[in-house]
Amino acid sequence: DIQMTQSPASLSASLEEIVTITCKASQGIDDYLSWYQQKPGKSPQLLIYDATSLADGVPSRFSGSRSGTQYSLKISRPQVDDSGIYYCLQSYSTPFTFGSGTKLEIK
Amino acid sequence: EVQLVESGGGLVQPGRSLKLSCVASGFTFSNYGMNWIRQAPGKGLEWVAYISSGSSYIYYAETVKGRFTISRDNAKNTLYLQMTSLRSEDTALYYCARRGVAPFDYWGQGVMVTVSS
Repeated sequence: DIQMTQSPASLSASLEEIVTITCKASQGIDDYLSWYQQKPGKSPQLLIYDATSLADGVPSRFSGSRSGTQYSLKISRPQVDDSGIYYCLQSYSTPFTFGSGTKLEIK
Repeated sequence: EVQLVESGGGLVQPGRSLKLSCVASGFTFSNYGMNWIRQAPGKGLEWVAYISSGSSYIYYAETVKGRFTISRDNAKNTLYLQMTSLRSEDTALYYCARRGVAPFDYWGQGVMVTVSS
């Protein structure tokens, strides 16, 4: 199975910072990587797919990138509403595997 | 508007069975693969099963293989998850999710399954 190592587990950021969350795949996943945001009591929502493509309706302050087998989600000038838990997912091969999640607090 | 509505959850004793349903609307259900994903209380997300649009391809997580069966009825726009030999570790919120541009581009609100004596 492909392991997705996500970091950090949690972070707190201000409105003016750039937030970066990373996921490292245990092997190549050919950019079959997506990012999801989950707010308390809600279903996860798709943010980024195919490593860098922004999902419909997602603000442009969210972006995705890759360096080798490490994938990153960047939030530029985050808003308070961006607080929540973020998960990466590899869909290169089954079993599809999620990262362990990053709890983000925007102060 | 894409909508996915799960039902069928509840409290069940270990070893018993339960069948979840997910009714889809707002898109042509028969054109899309579908998934079940679960989230244990206070924990992360775990993919459970996938079924292709025409049911030709089906995949399961090892943790449920042989106990759970994913199926669909395209005439009824409904996805199912038959769960047997339930264990306490199957206790979770179960989501159905569509495979569109992304593996899970739309999610339902989830249905809770609690396995306890």
